[in-house]
Amino acid sequence: GESVGLHLPTLSVQEGDNSIINCAYSNSASDYFIWYKQESGKGPQFIIDIRSNMDKRQGQRVTVLLNKTVKHLSLQIAATQPGDSAVYFCAEISPSSNTGKLIFGQGTTLQVKP
Amino acid sequence: EAGVAQSPRYKIIEKRQSVAFWCNPISGHATLYWYQQILGQGPKLLIQFQNNGVVDDSQLPKDRFSAERLKGVDSTLKIQPAKLEDSAVYLCASSLRTGTSKRDEQFFGPGTRLTVL
Repeated sequence: GESVGLHLPTLSVQEGDNSIINCAYSNSASDYFIWYKQESGKGPQFIIDIRSNMDKRQGQRVTVLLNKTVKHLSLQIAATQPGDSAVYFCAEISPSSNTGKLIFGQGTTLQVKP
Repeated sequence: EAGVAQSPRYKIIEKRQSVAFWCNPISGHATLYWYQQILGQGPKLLIQFQNNGVVDDSQLPKDRFSAERLKGVDSTLKIQPAKLEDSAVYLCASSLRTGTSKRDEQFFGPGTRLTVL
């Protein structure tokens, strides 16, 4: 079956440092991935996505890297701020579904120390 | 633009009781999703509607869960009877999705936190 998972349940960083959150997936046919941010008491919010024909995609202060050889992706947050504190999920569009079904990983809690 | 609205925000019930959640998607969004998010886990899709038709309910426990989307706009999710393991946050999301494009951003509501005692 399909699955996505994160390596660490919690990541603690100092304000201003860069953060790297990792995710692994199991299905080599997976071709579209999304990172979500979920703050306490809120629903997940889209951050950035990447297709399998790309290795890297950049947004504002965020970069997603995709390594298809080892089925791994990462989210890098530059100059981490207190407002970045949240749970981060990687998700994939199920390659076996034609309905755009999202499969979420378990999440990494990012704690930013002032 | 208004986001996805959900109510109630919190609900506490005893096991074997019934409960219903309501969702109002973003105006014009054809597709509506209900997710279950158990504490410490990522959301899991329960059911997906496109307009007022069900396109995926493979993970919906149909012996106790039901959902409807009358007129292709608002939706309700019901649990009857509730079990202890149904304690979770129930998230509603919507998207424009009218075809099979994978890049179809889902917008999530704040969720309803259900506690079953």
